[in-house]
Amino acid sequence: EAQVTQNPRYLITVTGKKLTVTCSQNMNHEYMSWYRQDPGLGLRQIYYSMNVEVTDKGDVPEGYKVSRKEKRNFPLILESPSPNQTSLYFCASSSIIQGATEAFFGQGTRLTVV
Amino acid sequence: AQSVTQPDIHITVSEGASLELRCNYSYGATPYLFWYVQSPGQGLQLLLKYFSGDTLVQGIKGFEAEFKRSQSSFNLRKPSVHWSDAAEYFCAVGATPFNAGKSTFGDGTTLTVKP
Repeated sequence: EAQVTQNPRYLITVTGKKLTVTCSQNMNHEYMSWYRQDPGLGLRQIYYSMNVEVTDKGDVPEGYKVSRKEKRNFPLILESPSPNQTSLYFCASSSIIQGATEAFFGQGTRLTVV
Repeated sequence: AQSVTQPDIHITVSEGASLELRCNYSYGATPYLFWYVQSPGQGLQLLLKYFSGDTLVQGIKGFEAEFKRSQSSFNLRKPSVHWSDAAEYFCAVGATPFNAGKSTFGDGTTLTVKP
């Protein structure tokens, strides 16, 4: 079954404690992206990756890091989380070789930073 | 810079009534446009997409959308709403090699369906 898997689904952490949210896709997609969703603000792109070892900043990259060492994985790293990073996070993947195809989304990770 | 505007934050319709959700975009060329739906506590699911060709596109669950280049719009429609359509709807300009991988979502429209 084609899917994007995020872990964990829920996470409560304290300010400054490094954390990683994992994202894995099984569709051999070149493109992967991270979004955060906040009430009234829709989905805002944090970072994206066009392929292995190719990453770029989205609209709200501050406080986040990513890596793309393998095609299937695209972890989101918060080196020093702060309360303003409390949000719902989504990972997505798609194939964009010949243009754009639909994005497949993970189930989301609800992060609370206290 | 590309952008997507969904002018209606919240819409309420009666079950069985027709629905139109508005979406306006700003993009330098013909965009790749999508509508997604998000049910409470869920991820996003694709309703339909437009890349080129026929400007009226059909999607799942009886939804359709019309691309109007002159109005920079991509409005979502459904002739008869069901209670299960209550959800949040997002319009998006998709990531492509032509826009360097940037994708942009609107702020979303929450649909409430009255019995």
